[in-house]
Amino acid sequence: DAGVIQSPRHEVTEMGQEVTLRCKPISGHNSLFWYRQTMMRGLELLIYFNNNVPIDDSGMPEDRFSAKMPNASFSTLKIQPSEPRDSAVYFCASSSRPGLAGVKHTETQYFGPGTRLLVL
Amino acid sequence: QKEVEQDPGPLSVPEGAIVSLNCTYSNSAFQYFMWYRQYSRKGPELLMYTYSSGNKEDGRFTAQVDKSSKYISLFIRDSQPSDSATYLCAMNGGRRALTFGSGTRLQVQP
Repeated sequence: DAGVIQSPRHEVTEMGQEVTLRCKPISGHNSLFWYRQTMMRGLELLIYFNNNVPIDDSGMPEDRFSAKMPNASFSTLKIQPSEPRDSAVYFCASSSRPGLAGVKHTETQYFGPGTRLLVL
Repeated sequence: QKEVEQDPGPLSVPEGAIVSLNCTYSNSAFQYFMWYRQYSRKGPELLMYTYSSGNKEDGRFTAQVDKSSKYISLFIRDSQPSDSATYLCAMNGGRRALTFGSGTRLQVQP
């Protein structure tokens, strides 16, 4: 299994440009999470999808951020227009929700390698 | 105040030492408690998780949860240079999203 795949691994762009980050979750996983990690704020959830449907986007900073999951094997996080304060490492994670019998077993979220974004 | 507090370190110990990493939290709804390890320039990977209060042991690692004190710990016995990484506590309950601590950077000196 290749694990969660993210692209690009590094992105350098200028302020005002559109940035698109991509994620391929682990096959068979039905949940996908986008996180952002910075030194100041640590690891923060931006949005998560269950069965391709956005469930909780309360962490999305503002309207400049949007995320889509057109199918079970692909998701994008778009920033338009980008700003220097968006510079961070963006992680995608996927999981498979346990059945009702597994009430004491939360799902394991598997993280991708991250995309390092630098907005100049 | 953050929901989850974690000392950022860095924590430097000699090889073979016992390491204690800790987090405190404020949300009583948290039921699942996890420890993730993150190597430099990599994504976090799950080390252990515990449901509610109690202890859990896995090899050299022991996770403890004290819900009455809202305090969780990770102990690493016989620490190795390969344990050098950032350790993040994470927790959830009620909603599936994880709330992470800021991470503690650990350096094990050979």
